[in-house]
Order: sequence, then structure tokens, then C-alpha cells
Amino acid sequence: NAGVTQTPKFQVLKTGQSMTLQCAQDMNHNSMYWYRQDPGMGLRLIYYSASEGTTDKGEVPNGYNVSRLNKREFSLRLESAAPSQTSVYFCASSGTSGRSYEQYFGPGTRLTVT
Amino acid sequence: AQRVTQPEKLLSVFKGAPVELKCNYSYSGSPELFWYVQYSRQRLQLLLRHISRESIKGFTADLNKGETSFHLKKPFAQEEDSAMYYCALNYNFNKFYFGSGTKLNVKP
Repeated sequence: NAGVTQTPKFQVLKTGQSMTLQCAQDMNHNSMYWYRQDPGMGLRLIYYSASEGTTDKGEVPNGYNVSRLNKREFSLRLESAAPSQTSVYFCASSGTSGRSYEQYFGPGTRLTVT
Repeated sequence: AQRVTQPEKLLSVFKGAPVELKCNYSYSGSPELFWYVQYSRQRLQLLLRHISRESIKGFTADLNKGETSFHLKKPFAQEEDSAMYYCALNYNFNKFYFGSGTKLNVKP
């Protein structure tokens, strides 16, 4: 049981390049999320998917697109990377524990855009 | 708008001292609050949730609806408690809002 996995772990892009961050979970969770973590800003929600086939914008969606490929996989795409997108990206999934929702996080992807 | 505020970016205490990490929230509904912790080189993980009223690793947090607070407390800090702590609010069935985090540094 690997939990939430993300690839790649590190990436350096030049301004204008595109890339896709991959995320997969093996916990049969319905909900999946993409966050970015910046110093002093905490975690900010980029996009989330409440269930397979649905996606919705979070707090900072501009410059990103997502695909919920199936129940397990949720990818984040940067079409034209900008230096402002330099950050650590976390994928998470959520199920229920009793009446409470708990999020499980991946190890993160450290992205640098030059 | 839903918000979570953690006023302290950095909190330094000596080993054995009490520690309190502050969290205030703004939410018009019935809040569901969590504390997450990120140890060095580890992934973010759940520490505790208010609905369980549990104590994990000696930490407790009480939801105070009157003061809209969910402060995290531990009576005697240990060096292994040094980490980044995030307060989080579940505000829409399965959407979460995280605070900016507090880095706890426990000195020997």
C-alpha cells in the first residue's frame, strides 16, 4: 500500500516550457487535490476533484489545468511555465474516517522555473 | 470568506517547556478543524482532528467556537516535536483551507 505517489520529485523548467505532474493513490479515495506550498503562504489549493470525472478550481488555479484520469490518478499540467510557479507541489487524497475527512499527502514535487 | 490564521511563523521553546501554537478561523458554518504536521524530509501528515477529541504525541487541541480558535498545546515540548505545523479547516464537504503554518523549534 503505497498511499499517494507523485512523479517527478524534482523538475527544472525554462519559462514557457510545459510539463505534467503525475499523482496516483491506491486507497480508493474519491477526492483528490493539488496544492502548492510557498514560504510564508502555507498550502494553497490549486484544483481538486471530488470524484472521478469532476474537477473544480481552488484558490490559485490560474496557469494550471488538471485531469482526473480515473479514480486513482489526478494530473496537474503547466502549459506555459512562469517563474511565479516555482514552488513545491503536493498531491493529496481524501476519504472519510467516521464523520471526519482526513487528507493523505504525497511526498511533493519541487519545481523550479528559470 | 473562509480563512485560517496562524499568527506565528516561528515559535522557539526549550525542551520541557509548554508550547501553544495558535490557530484562528473564520467560517460561517459548523467547522471541522485539523492539525497537520510536516517533519523534516517527511510528507505532511495528520496530527489530530477536533472531532475525535484525541491526544496524539502529547498534543491536544480544543475547538473554542466563541473565540473561533483551535490552538494546539503540549505541556512539555520534546526535541522531536520540531516541525512545521499547519492548521486546516474543512469548509465545504471535502475542500480544505490551510493556514500559513508555524515552524516549531524545540531547543535542547
